[in-house]
Amino acid sequence: GAGVSQTPSNKVTEKGKYVELRCDPISGHTALYWYRQSLGQGPEFLIYFQGTGAADDSGLPNDRFFAVRPEGSVSTLKIQRTERGDSAVYLCASSLTARQPQHFGDGTRLSIL
Amino acid sequence: KQEVTQIPAALSVPEGENLVLNCSFTDSAIYNLQWFRQDPGKGLTSLLLIQSSQREQTSGRLNASLDKSSGRSTLYIAASQPGDSATYLCAVKFGNEKLTFGTGTRLTIIP
Repeated sequence: GAGVSQTPSNKVTEKGKYVELRCDPISGHTALYWYRQSLGQGPEFLIYFQGTGAADDSGLPNDRFFAVRPEGSVSTLKIQRTERGDSAVYLCASSLTARQPQHFGDGTRLSIL
Repeated sequence: KQEVTQIPAALSVPEGENLVLNCSFTDSAIYNLQWFRQDPGKGLTSLLLIQSSQREQTSGRLNASLDKSSGRSTLYIAASQPGDSATYLCAVKFGNEKLTFGTGTRLTIIP
């Protein structure tokens, strides 16, 4: 597809479980970003990749959160020992380079019961 | 701390009216500012991007302005239509690579 693709679109799981969220950026985009959006709030930055490396992970809330981008394309956000406070929409964005406009996917709505 | 604020949180206007959405930010040393639209349950659609060296950008019925010295941006929507109903988000790139977002203005156009 032409846009940023995120899967799954919805994920419901129990407290304490492990989850993986996937992001397929626009082909050729070197920069990839993860954001988290709580209800009624703007998105908050989590982590930024330039190529395969995490250039800025200052937004990750704690060590339960981890993200990878092993081949410089698809990225996976991993959350261990999920808590109810992790419930939010997780948005992925990509850009051609770090200074170009960011293009967003539709997000994964994560619900922790 | 670098912050972005959008007021009001919600706005309702009759169809056909012109309207202005406001965004303010705390640090004038910005790289660029972007306005997004978000429909319920959807991701963000980029509307306009203003570089720090620019004063305004226009796309169709939309016009965005930037005043770095006062830390303000406005999004002007002309001849509003019901299809313009959405949440509008302002986001600032403060020189690092991430976007800092406001909390958005939920716009309702009344037919």
